[in-house]
Amino acid sequence: KNEVEQSPQNLTAQEGEFITINCSYSVGISALHWLQQHPGGGIVSLFMLSSGKKKHGRLIATINIQEKHSSLHITASHPRDSAVYICAVGGGADGLTFGKGTHLIIQP
Amino acid sequence: NAGVMQNPRHLVRRRGQEARLRCSPMKGHSHVYWYRQLPEEGLKFMVYLQKENIIDESGMPKERFSAEFPKEGPSILRIQQVVRGDSAAYFCASSPGRSNQPQHFGDGTRLSIL
Repeated sequence: KNEVEQSPQNLTAQEGEFITINCSYSVGISALHWLQQHPGGGIVSLFMLSSGKKKHGRLIATINIQEKHSSLHITASHPRDSAVYICAVGGGADGLTFGKGTHLIIQP
Repeated sequence: NAGVMQNPRHLVRRRGQEARLRCSPMKGHSHVYWYRQLPEEGLKFMVYLQKENIIDESGMPKERFSAEFPKEGPSILRIQQVVRGDSAAYFCASSPGRSNQPQHFGDGTRLSIL
């Protein structure tokens, strides 16, 4: 059974700061997902990656398969980025295993 | 192209009643997953279904919970004789099933048990 650990659990930063959220997992995987959840809201899939790096707007996700580690970066952070960011592992046809999430607050 | 549709968004039940949660996958998606998010806890996998088949139900509680994905119509997660501990957000996701395609999530059903 894969164990997924995220850090930090909570993060408060000022608008404009560069944000990094980390995710480690214990067992080799076919894919890793980064998800975003706003309070009381639905879940949005930000990235699915199995190697290297992906970029979408101000968001960047990287993964190191050998080290079983992934990072999510947010450049030029904005208050609307405030949300819970969740790391999950599993392939497209498998149920996902989730980290506990990182609660991010960006203050104006 | 509509996304994953879940209904109702909010459901209130009294202890002992039945709760039925519905999920219509994205068009072209034949794989459905149910996840549960208990208050102050992370998401947990419950069950994975394809049309008319339960593929993996290792995350389902052994009693009172059942799921189906019939040939026609939405996937249904059914909870019988609900208890206070069933209060949670239940999320459905769908995928086309290919390993390089992500799962797409619905907005969830918030179940409250009085």
